[in-house]
Amino acid sequence: ETGVTQSPTHLIKTRGQQVTLRCSSQSGHNTVSWYQQALGQGPQFIFQYYREEENGRGNFPPRFSGLQFPNYSSELNVNALELDDSALYLCASSGKTSGAAKQYFGPGTRLTVT
Amino acid sequence: KNEVEQSPQNLTAQEGEFITINCSYSVGISALHWLQQHPGGGIVSLFMLSSGKKKHGRLIATINIQEKHSSLHITASHPRDSAVYICAVQGRRSGGGADGLTFGKGTHLIIQP
Repeated sequence: ETGVTQSPTHLIKTRGQQVTLRCSSQSGHNTVSWYQQALGQGPQFIFQYYREEENGRGNFPPRFSGLQFPNYSSELNVNALELDDSALYLCASSGKTSGAAKQYFGPGTRLTVT
Repeated sequence: KNEVEQSPQNLTAQEGEFITINCSYSVGISALHWLQQHPGGGIVSLFMLSSGKKKHGRLIATINIQEKHSSLHITASHPRDSAVYICAVQGRRSGGGADGLTFGKGTHLIIQP
């Protein structure tokens, strides 16, 4: 059974640029959630995708967008990067889209915006 | 919006001590998760609870739905238990869709030999 993987591990971008982060879900999981974790804080929910459609969204602006592909891998895109976007970005997959579901987390992508 | 509070924020203990980390939340939930995060970022799910108590090895998690409170206990603590322990709640949403998890800020646990 393959776990959740994310790429890249680290990334440095300049303010105003755009970035794409990638996540491969655990085998058999059709739901993926993305979280932003600022230094010293708990993760914050960005959005969730189920069967290629956005299924729920946290309090993040539209410049945070995503995609989910038929193989259930996923991308997080952030446009017009701001310094405050510097954080650890985590994706988590699960086998259910609603109700209680165990989440399987990837190792994260650490984004630094300068 | 659910508010999740954890205590203590930091905890240093000696090897072998019994550890308790507490979590309270403000709004009804479908489940509560206890997660472990090591330096470098990786998060591992320890428990998912909707009622009662669960045990896995030296870890025990309990939840009181009426009081909106959960505890994570570690028995016979060991230096390898040193990590950040995070409580997260999963909301209920009628009509489908997902709220994702709402996280506490975490408890930094250090177990000294």
